[in-house]
Amino acid sequence: EIVLTQSPGTLSLSPGERATLSCRASQSVSSNSLAWYQQKPGQAPRLLIYGASSRAPGIPDRFSGSGSGTDFALTVSRLGPEDFAVYYCQQYGDSPYTFGQGTKLEIK
Amino acid sequence: EVLVLESGGGLVQPGGSLTLSCAASGFTFSTHATGWVRQAPGKGLEWVSTITSSGDSTFYADSVKGRFTISRDDSKNTLYLQMNSLRAEDTAVYYCATFNIWGQGTMVTVSS
Repeated sequence: EIVLTQSPGTLSLSPGERATLSCRASQSVSSNSLAWYQQKPGQAPRLLIYGASSRAPGIPDRFSGSGSGTDFALTVSRLGPEDFAVYYCQQYGDSPYTFGQGTKLEIK
Repeated sequence: EVLVLESGGGLVQPGGSLTLSCAASGFTFSTHATGWVRQAPGKGLEWVSTITSSGDSTFYADSVKGRFTISRDDSKNTLYLQMNSLRAEDTAVYYCATFNIWGQGTMVTVSS
């Protein structure tokens, strides 16, 4: 089983700042099959990025994904108030399709 | 409108069974792999199961393997999750997910 470790656990930033979230895999993720989700309280997760770097339909271009192999990152170039939420990475290259434990992005 | 709608959640006793359904509309359901993700109260996301677009292959988390069965009926645009031998640790909101299309979830509570 591929274990995904997200860091930091909590990230405190101000609106307008740049956020970089990390997701490290215990072994190489097949075909860079790595997704990022955003979840706000009481809501279903929303797919942001798939294939490590492709934005899902309707996702603003301030969200970008990068990385390959075992190290991946999600960058939000300029934080809006609506971006403060919990973010999860997930690998779907090899079953079981594991999630990371999440990074909480909070307003500083 | 593109959406998926889960149903079938509820309160069940340990050892009991429940079947969840997910009705899809507004997109070509049959051409997508799809599956279930759950979230225990106050916890993170846990992948549960995925079925391929053809239905030929199914995949399960170790925590549910042998107890849960995923299936699909493309004539009804519906995904199912048959859950047997339920345990307290299966208590969670269960989401149906097809690529970027997620439902609002259905709550399953396993308790005596």
